[in-house]
Amino acid sequence: DAGITQSPRHKVTETGTPVTLRCHQTENHRYMYWYRQDPGHGLRLIHYSYGVKDTDKGEVSDGYSVSRSKTEDFLLTLESATSSQTSVYFCASGQGIRGNTIYFGEGSWLTVV
Amino acid sequence: DQQVKQNSPSLSVQEGRISILNCDYTNSMFDYFLWYKKYPAEGPTFLISISSIKDKNEDGRFTVFLNKSAKHLSLHIVPSQPGDSAVYFCAASANGAQKLVFGQGTRLTINP
Repeated sequence: DAGITQSPRHKVTETGTPVTLRCHQTENHRYMYWYRQDPGHGLRLIHYSYGVKDTDKGEVSDGYSVSRSKTEDFLLTLESATSSQTSVYFCASGQGIRGNTIYFGEGSWLTVV
Repeated sequence: DQQVKQNSPSLSVQEGRISILNCDYTNSMFDYFLWYKKYPAEGPTFLISISSIKDKNEDGRFTVFLNKSAKHLSLHIVPSQPGDSAVYFCAASANGAQKLVFGQGTRLTINP
């Protein structure tokens, strides 16, 4: 499995505060992703990156922004956290070749109160 | 619009028997399919994949079948073991796109 670490692993924050989740990969993968997992919805793509400073939106991008200043790091920011953003967030990375398999980190549990 | 659907939220199977997990998709452009397994408090791990040019791929106890005309794939686990108890997600991508679309997941429980 790819070396993907996420931080923090658990966080409780208040509504309206900004939150940043960090993802670090050691596989030199070109592509990186942020997904959220919610009951009944499976894994939904928030944003992804196809290179340094190159990012694009996923299906649930509203209220989130991302940045990628280095190949190995991908940050997800909740600009003003809401209770609907309480979720488990997974970072993933992959080579970006046809038939791409992506590899996931262990997840970040975020609770917005 | 759920492009990948796993209509069974849960499945219970006796140890040693076959587990069959199903997945349907609506996007005819999907050409690569994967299954991931997820234990509680861990990230999903890749299990097995299949390209649309094939209709079957096998890896040990795990076999994935693809029926393109029905837009349906299934994962067979035989024999089922207690360690197979987990949530299973199917996923798909289209035309070399680097984004995976996931289903809702099926929780598999293997009973002793």
